Amino acid sequence: EIVMTQSPATLSVSPGARATLSCRASQSIDSNLAWYQQKPGQAPRLLIYGASTRATGIPARFSGTGSGTEFTLTITSLQSEDFAVYYCQQYHFWYTFGQGTKLEIK
Amino acid sequence: EVQLVESGGGWVQPGGSLRLSCAASGFSFRSYWMSWVRQAPGKGLEWVANIRQDGSLTFYVDSVKGRFTGSRDNAKNSLYLQMDSLRAEDTAVYYCARGSGSDFGLYFDQWGQGTLVTVSS
Repeated sequence: EIVMTQSPATLSVSPGARATLSCRASQSIDSNLAWYQQKPGQAPRLLIYGASTRATGIPARFSGTGSGTEFTLTITSLQSEDFAVYYCQQYHFWYTFGQGTKLEIK
Repeated sequence: EVQLVESGGGWVQPGGSLRLSCAASGFSFRSYWMSWVRQAPGKGLEWVANIRQDGSLTFYVDSVKGRFTGSRDNAKNSLYLQMDSLRAEDTAVYYCARGSGSDFGLYFDQWGQGTLVTVSS
C-alpha cells in the first residue's frame, strides 16, 4: 500500500497570506496525485489533479507542484472561504488519501 | 449541472446489511467509472470501491472485499453499494463519486453529499 503523509497536520495562516501544504508518498507515484478541499459538513471538492492541473472552476490562487514522492499545494492570497481541510490522494497504485491538513485562520 | 444524490444510509446492528443508492444526473453516467469513498466520523477519506462503466468490473479496498458489492444500472443512472456483514468499523459517511482519469487510475471530480451509515448494537 502506498502511504500518503501530509504535513503539517494544522497550519495557521492569516487571510491574504500564502499557505504551503505538503504531501509525501511512500514510493514514487509519478504525477498521479489529486488535491481536495473539504469544509465542515460538506463533501470534498476536487482542486488539482495530475499533480498540477486545476480542476474546472478552481481559482488560479490554487496551484500544485511536484512529482515522484514530494508534492505541494500552494494557496496564495488566502480568502476566508479557503480555510478548510485539504487532502491529497494518489491514484498511481490503487487509491489512498493523506490524513489531511487543517488550514485555520491565524 | 452534475448531481449525485446518495440514499439508503441508517443504523444497523453488527452483522446486518444495508444497500446504498446514488442517483446521478447532469452527465453521461454510462461513460464514467463510479466510486464509493467513505469517511469515518472525525477521520479522513478512504476509497471503498470502483465500478466500471458497464458494471462488469469492480474493485474494492481489502477491508470490504467479500462483504460489499458495487453495482450500477445505467438505464436508471444509478449506482449501488450492497453492504453485508457490517462491522462497527464500517461506520462512516459514504460518498458516491464520479471517477475521471483513466482505467488505470482515477481521481474523483464530482461528489455527492454523502449518506451516514452507523453500525452499532
